[in-house]
Parts: sequence; structure tokens; C-alpha cells
Amino acid sequence: GNSVTQMEGPVTLSEEAFLTINCTYTATGYPSLFWYVQYPGEGLQLLLKATKADDKGSNKGFEATYRKETTSFHLEKGSVQVSDSAVYFCALDMGRRALTFGSGTRLQVQP
Amino acid sequence: DAMVIQNPRYQVTQFGKPVTLSCSQTLNHNVMYWYQQKSSQAPKLLFHYYDKDFNNEADTPDNFQSRRPNTSFCFLDIRSPGLGDAAMYLCATSGWTSGRQETQYFGPGTRLLVL
Repeated sequence: GNSVTQMEGPVTLSEEAFLTINCTYTATGYPSLFWYVQYPGEGLQLLLKATKADDKGSNKGFEATYRKETTSFHLEKGSVQVSDSAVYFCALDMGRRALTFGSGTRLQVQP
Repeated sequence: DAMVIQNPRYQVTQFGKPVTLSCSQTLNHNVMYWYQQKSSQAPKLLFHYYDKDFNNEADTPDNFQSRRPNTSFCFLDIRSPGLGDAAMYLCATSGWTSGRQETQYFGPGTRLLVL
């Protein structure tokens, strides 16, 4: 079946540090890949997506590249802010029904 | 500007007392989903509607029901809430193009507390 594996958190960084949150996937086929962000007490917001191999999704300084050869979609940001503190979910979609989510990675950014 | 709206944002109910959560959308999407998210976990799909067709996940308890009276609205009914049903409930919507689901957009969620 399909699955998504994320690095465990929490990830604690100082403001302006470089961020990487690893995400790898297993899928029978060619999924679309997503990063969603969840701020405390809120629902999920779409952060970025990529629909085919080598696509790069980007938004608000965050980037992720769809790597088919390594089945990965790692999230990166060059300089994090305190306001980026949230839980980040990697997810895949086979275009049929439900998203398959990773377990989420909590990011804490300290001033 | 809100696209997926959930009401209320917080709901308190008593053990065994039926409760209804609501979701509405302004995106005219034909697919609507209900997810349950417990603390520090990933969202878990309960069921979804493709237009008027209801699709239940195999492991969704019978205690959970849903109604979709029109394209814009979808309701989650919990017939007899137990303490284990306390969670965040997320509604999401997506379009469907050329036999493929489009991006899912989530509402802000309703946090349910069962006393």
C-alpha cells in the first residue's frame, strides 16, 4: 500500500537557521506530493505541492522537490522565523480518494 | 474569503448526547471529506462524498454518520459520543478533473470535547 514516512520531531531551531524536514514515500504509481502546515489549534493549510517528478513546489520561502529516484519530498527553508513554528505534514495523493499523511513533524523556532 | 468553513470551532457535548458538526464551502467542489485528528496524530479519514455518493472508510465506527444535503454543505453526526471521540474534526473539499482528484483544501476544524 501507500505510505509516507517523516522524520520525528520536535525539531528545535533558532531563528534564521536552515530547516530540513525529511519525507519519503512508498506508492504504487505516480503520486502527487504535498506539504501541509498546521498552526496550533487550527486546521491544515496547503503549503506547497508537486505533481510530477522533478517538480519543485515553493511558497513563503519553503521549497520541496519531487525526487522520484529517491522517493523523497524533503521540505526546506533557508531562514526560519518564530512564526514558522507549527506541525508540518507530508502527504501523497494517488488521485483517487484520501490523502495518505505522514505522522507530522513539530517545528519549534526559538527567538 | 473563507473557502471551507466549519462551525462551531469548539463544541462541548456530554457523553452519549448526539452532536452535529457542520461544514460549508464556497469552492463548488464536488468532493467533501471528514477527517478525525487526535492529539499529535495525523488526520484519519472517516468518510467522503463524491457528489451525493457516500463513501465510508472500512474502520469508521457506526457511531459516525454524515449528511450532504447540497453541494455546499456537509454534516458530521456523532450519535452517541464517547470519551474517545474527543478530537479535532477536519472538513476538506476537492474538485475532480479528468478522473483525477485535485488538491484538498481544509477548513479550520472543530475541536470536540466530550464530558
